[in-house]
Amino acid sequence: AQSVTQLGSHVSVSEGALVLLRCNYSSSVPPYLFWYVQYPNQGLQLLLKYTSAATLVKGINGFEAEFKKSETSFHLTKPSAHMSDAAEYFCAVRRGGNKLTFGTGTQLKVEL
Amino acid sequence: ETGVTQSPTHLIKTRGQQVTLRCSSQSGHNTVSWYQQALGQGPQFIFQYYREEENGRGNFPPRFSGLQFPNYSSELNVNALELDDSALYLCASSLSGDSNQPQHFGDGTRLSIL
Repeated sequence: AQSVTQLGSHVSVSEGALVLLRCNYSSSVPPYLFWYVQYPNQGLQLLLKYTSAATLVKGINGFEAEFKKSETSFHLTKPSAHMSDAAEYFCAVRRGGNKLTFGTGTQLKVEL
Repeated sequence: ETGVTQSPTHLIKTRGQQVTLRCSSQSGHNTVSWYQQALGQGPQFIFQYYREEENGRGNFPPRFSGLQFPNYSSELNVNALELDDSALYLCASSLSGDSNQPQHFGDGTRLSIL
């Protein structure tokens, strides 16, 4: 079964610092992977997706993620954190028929 | 382009009652998926509808049921509500039921069971 594991339920960074949110996947076939962001009292917004076209994927709001098959990882990064990046981030893998299996989420806190 | 809209935004019910949640898909999308997000957890897949037919189901009991209408809007019905059903219920629409098209989420319905 395809699944994802997010390491670190809470991550805190200073404004302007590097953001690194970790996601490892478990899949017997090449996966389709996604990162979503959820702001308080809102639904999920797609940040980026990996569909095997390129290993480095650029998304919205300056985020990017690199697919590393050897490490079964799809970590999310942003060079410089902004206060507006504070939110919960979910990694997800596509199951058959365009259904998503989500990780447990990482709450990102950005401090001055 | 109209996004995914869900109603109501909040709902309070008591144990044993029944509830219906509604979702209007994004314009042009023919697939709707429903997810349950308990507090502090990631969303869990409930089921998906594609062109008015159920197209896959997660690990949820039969008291969770759904419908999709010809205009591709959808309903989630939950019977015999239990305290553990308290959660944010998210609807997501996409262009096709079997592709890598991203799912677009609504803001959810917050269901509280007393």
